[in-house]
Amino acid sequence: GQNIDQPTEMTATEGAIVQINCTYQTSGFNGLFWYQQHAGEAPTFLSYNVLDGLEEKGRFSSFLSRSKGYSYLLLKELQMKDSASYLCAVRDSNYQLIWGAGTKLIIKP
Amino acid sequence: IAGITQAPTSQILAAGRRMTLRCTQDMRHNAMYWYRQDLGLGLRLIHYSNTAGTTGKGEVPDGYSVSRANTDDFPLTLASAVPSQTSVYFCASSDKSTGELFFGEGSRLTVL
Repeated sequence: GQNIDQPTEMTATEGAIVQINCTYQTSGFNGLFWYQQHAGEAPTFLSYNVLDGLEEKGRFSSFLSRSKGYSYLLLKELQMKDSASYLCAVRDSNYQLIWGAGTKLIIKP
Repeated sequence: IAGITQAPTSQILAAGRRMTLRCTQDMRHNAMYWYRQDLGLGLRLIHYSNTAGTTGKGEVPDGYSVSRANTDDFPLTLASAVPSQTSVYFCASSDKSTGELFFGEGSRLTVL
């Protein structure tokens, strides 16, 4: 079966750095997405990785290793507004998105 | 503002009733999707449409139907609602070049 694993919840301190991991087992691979979802709101796009390596976008970076079935989202200089759920999703061989359950990130002052 | 509009935003429904969730996009995206999101679970695909006039079943299609008469509209119908269909429903469309999904604000449905 297809599976996406990510931690259920993480806590970090304002101003610090946090890494959210995602491991996947899917039938084929055509890219990995990270989305941010604030409570009660819709998910919004953060990043997309299709090749191995690091993609940097401001305070957020996303890393992919296809051989290990592994990705992480790195958030730097954490702000209170970064408190949200972070969703990992993999596009499989049929170009369908398989979603993880999401990681709830709690930022403390 | 361009994007996806869902209606209603919230609804309480008696079991056995018929309900249609509306979804309209103005980005001219070919592909559209309906997901449900339940606590502790990832987004689960109900139905999708790759282009106007075609639809397909997702991971959890039972009890739901969709239609795609034109590019902009993609309504989701619950023919006879059951309590297990209590959930938050998200409509989305995708940009063909990037695959990025754009989501509506969601419809919170409670079936009693």
